[in-house]
Amino acid sequence: AQKITQTQPGMFVQEKEAVTLDCTYDTSDPSYGLFWYKQPSSGEMIFLIYQGSYDQQNATEGRYSLNFQKARKSANLVISASQLGDSAMYFCAMRYFSGAGSYQLTFGKGTKLSVIP
Amino acid sequence: EAQVTQNPRYLITVTGKKLTVTCSQNMNHEYMSWYRQDPGLGLRQIYYSMNVEVTDKGDVPEGYKVSRKEKRNFPLILESPSPNQTSLYFCASRLSTSSTDTQYFGPGTRLTVL
Repeated sequence: AQKITQTQPGMFVQEKEAVTLDCTYDTSDPSYGLFWYKQPSSGEMIFLIYQGSYDQQNATEGRYSLNFQKARKSANLVISASQLGDSAMYFCAMRYFSGAGSYQLTFGKGTKLSVIP
Repeated sequence: EAQVTQNPRYLITVTGKKLTVTCSQNMNHEYMSWYRQDPGLGLRQIYYSMNVEVTDKGDVPEGYKVSRKEKRNFPLILESPSPNQTSLYFCASRLSTSSTDTQYFGPGTRLTVL
């Protein structure tokens, strides 16, 4: 079964500090993709970063980086130099190949990040 | 501007009154899907469509219908809404069913069923 686990319902971080949001996954599919999305209080889902299961290097996008540890089945999001605008809900998601002949996306339950001035 | 649009953004209705939430994308994407988001449960897929006239159930399809008569539109239909369908709904699309395509989300529709 495909599963994403985010064990931190909520986190606080001081402005300008770095923070790591945890994500572990479970899949038997050798080819999969891992995504992080940000959901601010306004509700929209914003794509942040992607890591493919065969990618040799950890993905980075500006202040976001993905700490991909394949053997541990973890894909933690690292946000450097936190800003007040980073306060939001963050979702980890995994794309896997479904039996219906397409790739599907399954989501974790989310982590609410609050940045303190 | 490339985007996924949903209407309405907010809706309050009563039990049993049929409603449709529209979803449209202007990126010529083959794949579209609907999710619902509930506190503590994350996003769960309701239905998805791999192309025109091709739809399939996601994880929580009960009480919902969809259709894909044209590539850009993927409406979500609640024939007889019930209070347990009160939720935040997202439509999403991506170019194809390829594993490397990024999925884009609409702005969300907040539905309350009284």
